[in-house]
Amino acid sequence: EDQVTQSPEALRLQEGESSSLNCSYTVSGLRGLFWYRQDPGKGPEFLFTLYSAGEEKEKERLKATLTKKESFLHITAPKPEDSATYLCAVRVDSNYQLIWGAGTKLIIKP
Amino acid sequence: DSGVTQTPKHLITATGQRVTLRCSPRSGDLSVYWYQQSLDQGLQFLIQYYNGEERAKGNILERFSAQQFPDLHSELNLSSLELGDSALYFCASSSDNYGYTFGSGTRLTVV
Repeated sequence: EDQVTQSPEALRLQEGESSSLNCSYTVSGLRGLFWYRQDPGKGPEFLFTLYSAGEEKEKERLKATLTKKESFLHITAPKPEDSATYLCAVRVDSNYQLIWGAGTKLIIKP
Repeated sequence: DSGVTQTPKHLITATGQRVTLRCSPRSGDLSVYWYQQSLDQGLQFLIQYYNGEERAKGNILERFSAQQFPDLHSELNLSSLELGDSALYFCASSSDNYGYTFGSGTRLTVV
């Protein structure tokens, strides 16, 4: 069964303290891995798409990487405004819709 | 503005009632997806439409139904509402079944 697992469930960091969020997947025929950011009460906001192992993408303080089993979302010197829930999802050959992880709630304290 | 428009933003209704949520997809997107998100829960996929046809169904209750119209806007109908149906309902659209663009959601409160 295709599955996406995110860890940790929650992460509290001090402002400026870099860290990484993990998204591991067991799927057949990966066609893309997506990262989204969701603020409370709002719709998820697209961040990155990764298609193949070794691919990396960056946006401001965020960098996403992909291997054959997992993806990492690295956050460098985070600021309080980076606090949000970060969602990972995968697209597979046999499915029309994305398979979602449960998310990591990131809290950055000033 | 993501380009996906959902109305209304907020809805308060009584148990047993019926409501309709509306979604206009981003220009050019043929697929529309509906998701439910209860408080502090993950996204639960309900249903997908592609160019007017139902393409995939998730954990959608029989009391819920949806359709996509020729102009590609979609409506999600929720009937015989229960307290547990209170949630955020999101619509997303895509053009190639890859990345999704989400709307800002409809917050439904059943009292």
